[in-house]
Amino acid sequence: DAGVTQSPTHLIKTRGQQVTLRCSPISGHKSVSWYQQVLGQGPQFIFQYYEKEERGRGNFPDRFSARQFPNYSSELNVNALLLGDSALYLCASSLGGTGGWETQYFGPGTRLLVL
Amino acid sequence: AQTVTQSQPEMSVQEAETVTLSCTYDTSESDYYLFWYKQPPSRQMILVIRQEAYKQQNATENRFSVNFQKAAKSFSLKISDSQLGDAAMYFCAYRSAVLGQFYFGTGTSLTVIP
Repeated sequence: DAGVTQSPTHLIKTRGQQVTLRCSPISGHKSVSWYQQVLGQGPQFIFQYYEKEERGRGNFPDRFSARQFPNYSSELNVNALLLGDSALYLCASSLGGTGGWETQYFGPGTRLLVL
Repeated sequence: AQTVTQSQPEMSVQEAETVTLSCTYDTSESDYYLFWYKQPPSRQMILVIRQEAYKQQNATENRFSVNFQKAAKSFSLKISDSQLGDAAMYFCAYRSAVLGQFYFGTGTSLTVIP
């Protein structure tokens, strides 16, 4: 079975631009979470979606938004890019939307560089 | 808010030896889960081991085991018989029993010396 896939793998943008990152979860998984990993840091939670509804939101500005589609794939959008948005963006999928024991499976990430 | 602290930015271990990575966390919740994830240079995060807070018995997965001290809010990872493939960044993570989001530490970079 295919794991979590993300596209693109790398992206270069300039300040002020907008970017859309995509994630396809493992087949059968209905929950997708997004994380930002700045170089040298641990991942920071951005969003969680389950059954197309937002289940959780981290401490990120409104420039960050996301959505989940009927096939459970997801997009993360970032508007008005800042230099500080340069990071590895990780997507993780899991079976359900509950917390706790359920394992999240991570994708390889999208490396975003903002110039 | 929950915080996870990994005080060892870098660790090294001789091949076949044992190494322990430290993690402490802060929470007011009584029910939660703790995880160790491994991130090799290829970047994909892989689950190593997980522990339920209400279980006193320490989790074990082959060469990987944890020392969970709930009162001290400590959750260390022991890697026995270290192998070259164990070299990676290791992240400790906390997850509420209610909410889905993870809180990650800043990571420990493990080097395995042949």
